[in-house]
Amino acid sequence: GQQLNQSPQSMFIQEGEDVSMNCTSSSIFNTWLWYKQDPGEGPVLLIALYKAGELTSNGRLTAQFGITRKDSFLNISASIPSDVGIYFCAGQPGAGSYQLTFGKGTKLSVIP
Amino acid sequence: AAGVIQSPRHLIKEKRETATLKCYPIPRHDTVYWYQQGPGQDPQFLISFYEKMQSDKGSIPDRFSAQQFSDYHSELNMSSLELGDSALYFCASSLRTVDQETQYFGPGTRLLVL
Repeated sequence: GQQLNQSPQSMFIQEGEDVSMNCTSSSIFNTWLWYKQDPGEGPVLLIALYKAGELTSNGRLTAQFGITRKDSFLNISASIPSDVGIYFCAGQPGAGSYQLTFGKGTKLSVIP
Repeated sequence: AAGVIQSPRHLIKEKRETATLKCYPIPRHDTVYWYQQGPGQDPQFLISFYEKMQSDKGSIPDRFSAQQFSDYHSELNMSSLELGDSALYFCASSLRTVDQETQYFGPGTRLLVL
């Protein structure tokens, strides 16, 4: 089946620093989504990307849909303590297939 | 804004028992997805329904079944529970579109099988 390689697996950063994480795939996706999950809670949608090359921002978050349709990155600027959590990328193949394939997640820790 | 509702939030069962998880999608959403997330794992797709018909099927055990009702809510029925079924079960809903469908997740049901 399709697999997403998400990196890094974990990050420890100082408050105020910028963060970057990415996902790559051997398969093409028509949609890339980025979610944040707190322990024991459901994934919360951060950014949705629908077109190759698309660059989208949501506050301090910026994400891009790779030109090849096989990768995406998420940047967080000026991190704050509440950014702590696990960030997942997810790809949706499209073309009649709508199920999401998730990356393994990036665990972000912010040191005040 | 209204979100996806799941019930119960927590469930404890014994091995070989049955469990029913319920999902109420965001109003006007016509598609429901079920995912299973083990400890420290990413969510794995189980099954989905669009307009009350099964749409996609993933790694759902034969012991599990699901359906979507006329009011678009969905139920995941799990029988002959095993210890390995202990996990977080998420429901997500969406409004089915050709190229810009976005799934919104509920808070999950934490199932513990003893």
